[in-house]
Amino acid sequence: DGGITQSPKYLFRKEGQNVTLSCEQNLNHDAMYWYRQDPGQGLRLIYYSQIVNDFQKGDIAEGYSVSREKKESFPLTVTSAQKNPTAFYLCASSIESGTNTDTQYFGPGTRLTVL
Amino acid sequence: GQQLNQSPQSMFIQEGEDVSMNCTSSSIFNTWLWYKQDPGEGPVLLIALYKAGELTSNGRLTAQFGITRKDSFLNISASIPSDVGIYFCAGFGGTSYGKLTFGQGTILTVHP
Repeated sequence: DGGITQSPKYLFRKEGQNVTLSCEQNLNHDAMYWYRQDPGQGLRLIYYSQIVNDFQKGDIAEGYSVSREKKESFPLTVTSAQKNPTAFYLCASSIESGTNTDTQYFGPGTRLTVL
Repeated sequence: GQQLNQSPQSMFIQEGEDVSMNCTSSSIFNTWLWYKQDPGEGPVLLIALYKAGELTSNGRLTAQFGITRKDSFLNISASIPSDVGIYFCAGFGGTSYGKLTFGQGTILTVHP
């Protein structure tokens, strides 16, 4: 089955702790993305990566970090510096970035709650 | 940055009715995408539009890429209860090169 997987589905974290959200795709897509969604709002871009070992900040990168060591994987770390981390986090991928075929496909999401 | 204005914000309709929602932008887009999101799930791509004037259907869904390249609409005909969810438009191109810009979403409720 081809697709994007995110784990875990639900994650609870104590204040002051870092936490890493997993995103894996087996679609052979070059580009991957992380978005944050707050209740009743649209999606806001955190980080994106167009190719292995390279990534760029999105609109709300502060308090987050990423890595792209493998094409299939793009983990997101929510650090203790993120002031309001409770949200729904969505990972996406596309064949490549920066072209008219940049259709993005989404994973099922991870809901992070800070206690 | 670029912004998309999506309307309406919410709709309450009876099963069987047709639905129309749209997105407008102050700048030109090269691609328009329409997604549906069920509660607690990731958005699922419904229709992708790549050319101005393009009209594309997917079952009961029809979407069009506006001639001016600054707008798009999505129609759902003969709505059914499982159409309930949040519908997002997204645009790609212009000054947001390499990044999709999303609308705020339209919440659709269908009463049986």
